[in-house]
Amino acid sequence: DTGVSQDPRHKITKRGQNVTFRCDPISEHNRLYWYRQTLGQGPEFLTYFQNEAQLEKSRLLSDRFSAERPKGSFSTLEIQRTEQGDSAMYLCASSPTGDTQYFGPGTRLTVL
Amino acid sequence: TQLLEQSPQFLSIQEGENLTVYCNSSSVFSSLQWYRQEPGEGPVLLVTVVTGGEVKKLKRLTFQFGDARKDSSLHITAAQPGDTGLYLCAGGPRGSSNTGKLIFGQGTTLQVKP
Repeated sequence: DTGVSQDPRHKITKRGQNVTFRCDPISEHNRLYWYRQTLGQGPEFLTYFQNEAQLEKSRLLSDRFSAERPKGSFSTLEIQRTEQGDSAMYLCASSPTGDTQYFGPGTRLTVL
Repeated sequence: TQLLEQSPQFLSIQEGENLTVYCNSSSVFSSLQWYRQEPGEGPVLLVTVVTGGEVKKLKRLTFQFGDARKDSSLHITAAQPGDTGLYLCAGGPRGSSNTGKLIFGQGTTLQVKP
């Protein structure tokens, strides 16, 4: 257990539905990252927060994706109008400095 | 675009054998990290290397960062079934020091048979 928690661990949804995932980082970490991992691949960077500010977004993050970290603590990742191609493991990581990132257990999304 | 390529992608060995996993790039990285991931779980950090030529040992695991900071290797001595998992290398690309975002290799799946 790294101290980073994610909820839910698994989500099954139908195409077109909206889903929201939550990440609770290690409390003293001001940096928070979201990654996406598909089967047989390494994680791919989605977005980065320093405190409550979203400072970088990947081109992978289409208009249907939005992430927030309203009080600089927990973060949410919402996917609107889900597509089958969104099926993946969504990973959250936190870090005090950026050099060392601690990953949560991930949320496995399946879009039917 | 900076890429990290890992080899081999799959490795199946007997308990007690030694193995090496490679992580290569044509780009320079400010640091490289190695993670181990089990099915359905997030990656767990094993080590971070930041200095070219650096060697770090973690029990039976030896990690090396290339002199030019473009490549790294993970060597496991006397592999055990508990070493089974997905091994990922990840780099902090140059210029990412402000964000710390990581670029990952595609992973090496290791199976150690008893």
